Amino acid sequence: GAGVSQSPRYKVAKRGQDVALRCDPISGHVSLFWYQQALGQGPEFLTYFQNEAQLDKSGLPSDRFFAERPEGSVSTLKIQRTQQEDSAVYLCASSLGGSGANVLTFGAGSRLTVL
Amino acid sequence: AQSVAQPEDQVNVAEGNPLTVKCTYSVSGNPYLFWYVQYPNRGLQFLLKYITGDNLVKGSYGFEAEFNKSQTSFHLKKPSALVSDSALYFCAVRPTAGTALIFGKGTTLSVSS
Repeated sequence: GAGVSQSPRYKVAKRGQDVALRCDPISGHVSLFWYQQALGQGPEFLTYFQNEAQLDKSGLPSDRFFAERPEGSVSTLKIQRTQQEDSAVYLCASSLGGSGANVLTFGAGSRLTVL
Repeated sequence: AQSVAQPEDQVNVAEGNPLTVKCTYSVSGNPYLFWYVQYPNRGLQFLLKYITGDNLVKGSYGFEAEFNKSQTSFHLKKPSALVSDSALYFCAVRPTAGTALIFGKGTTLSVSS
């Protein structure tokens, strides 16, 4: 597609519910990143895929967070047993390659509110 | 720990005046440096990057940034601000050895007419 598409744009969950956030990267982009952006803060790295391989998941805050990209294209970020502190905007980004100079293209984000 | 600092939460400037948004970083080695802009309810948009070479980098919408290795800074500049430049600006660093961008907290730029 022309850009990175994320869905849903807005999600309200009750504490304890599971949520799934979808990212559709730019076609042909090898690298895919997930970031978490809390209110008034900069994006914080969560995890990174190169094709279908999850090469770095050091930023995932707990084992309630899980991400996958089974066919090397669409990715899903799943949060189990949501907590209020999970409320944030979840940003997905993709890039053509994995080198340091590659520019990340970001989606508009999925805003999660946990009540 | 590797980090990026944007010391100003907000920068206010009058339309037509020059603007500077400051960024310093603490990263080992020779990192790649980026500026992104975020408009309300939209994703981050790439403005410019420094990889190597000339210390003054030109980017989108008339923005430029000056890399200073000794001061570990990468300040964003524009000679003449527009009201439409009002947005949230993020400096980001990618360590040469890693793949993830490290972002600053962001600076809100407000340009008044």
